[in-house]
Amino acid sequence: DAGVIQSPRHEVTEMGQEVTLRCKPISGHDYLFWYRQTMMRGLELLIYFNNNVPIDDSGMPEDRFSAKMPNASFSTLKIQPSEPRDSAVYFCASSYIRGPQETQYFGPGTRLLVL
Amino acid sequence: AQTVTQSQPEMSVQEAETVTLSCTYDTSENNYYLFWYKQPPSRQMILVIRQEAYKQQNATENRFSVNFQKAAKSFSLKISDSQLGDTAMYFCAFMETSSGTYKYIFGTGTRLKVLA
Repeated sequence: DAGVIQSPRHEVTEMGQEVTLRCKPISGHDYLFWYRQTMMRGLELLIYFNNNVPIDDSGMPEDRFSAKMPNASFSTLKIQPSEPRDSAVYFCASSYIRGPQETQYFGPGTRLLVL
Repeated sequence: AQTVTQSQPEMSVQEAETVTLSCTYDTSENNYYLFWYKQPPSRQMILVIRQEAYKQQNATENRFSVNFQKAAKSFSLKISDSQLGDTAMYFCAFMETSSGTYKYIFGTGTRLKVLA
């Protein structure tokens, strides 16, 4: 299996622009998680989905952030408009209910820099 | 609320030596899981080892082993025969399952440097 795939790997944008991060979970996985990692706040869970349905979005920092999962193999995290304080590494992770669902497998992350 | 504490921001160890990274957590739950993840400079998060709270036996994975003390709420990671490739950030994570959620709570990490 290719593992969790994220794109782009790096993104540089200007303040006010829309940013879309993409994630393809491992095939067969039915949980998908979005995390943000910064030096100041460490790893934070933003939102997670089960069977494409958002279960908990309490970690989403504000309305500028939105996430969707239109099907089992694709999810997006969108920031509109972006701000410099959104600069971070964003990770997607997935797990599956039929196996050790407690174990999450992480993608390589997207490093976002907002100027 | 559950919390995870890693009290050692940085550590170093000589190659081939053994090092232990500390992790404590706080929870009122009885059923939960604990994990150690490794994050090398590439930033990829890699699962090192997992432990089910209902198991008394400490988990081991090759050179990696844990010392799980449930009563003390302690979950330390021991790396034996340290290798240069072990240089990374190490994160301890907790997940309780009684509520049916699968949310991880991460510690702040320990930066480990293996010296040649």
